[in-house]
Amino acid sequence: EAGVTQFPSHSVIEKGQTVTLRCDPISGHDNLYWYRRVMGKEIKFLLHFVKESKQDESGMPNNRFLAERTGGTYSTLKVQPAELEDSGVYFCASSQSGNEQFFGPGTRLTVL
Amino acid sequence: RKEVEQDPGPFNVPEGATVAFNCTYSNSASQSFFWYRQDCRKEPKLLMSVYSSGNEDGRFTAQLNRASQYISLLIRDSKLSDSATYLCVVTHTGTASKLTFGTGTRLQVTL
Repeated sequence: EAGVTQFPSHSVIEKGQTVTLRCDPISGHDNLYWYRRVMGKEIKFLLHFVKESKQDESGMPNNRFLAERTGGTYSTLKVQPAELEDSGVYFCASSQSGNEQFFGPGTRLTVL
Repeated sequence: RKEVEQDPGPFNVPEGATVAFNCTYSNSASQSFFWYRQDCRKEPKLLMSVYSSGNEDGRFTAQLNRASQYISLLIRDSKLSDSATYLCVVTHTGTASKLTFGTGTRLQVTL
């Protein structure tokens, strides 16, 4: 069974540009989460989808971040415009209801 | 103050040693507790859940002390392959799906 996949694995962009990260959850998992690890800090929750609905977006840093999950399958996280402090590793995770969250390999974002 | 506090280490131990990691959490409404393992430049993976009664999985033993808001992980007979960062993770009542991570404790097992 395929795990959670994320694309791209790495992205290097300049400040002010736009980047879109994609996450494909494990097939059949209704719950999809985005987390972020900024260098030197702990992994932090960004938001949680149940199917296509945002269940909890309390961790989204500001309105430069937009997450979508159209059709309840894959999800995208867009950062526009990117700032230096957005650099970090963005993890996606998925789960069946109430069960273990399985993480993807992450997207390493560098904003120059 | 961080919600979940861990000693970052690194803990350098020889193969075969026993090593223990501790973690404290500040939110008394914390509901579920886990240890995750993260290898260098990889994703976190669930190692084990932690219960008040304590639980054991092979060489790994986890304990929870709710009164002291303290979680521990004991690794016996360390293997080279145990080298990784161990993340203490909690969830809170009402936000059971939202994982709150500590910064992790790095373990290096050497020959």
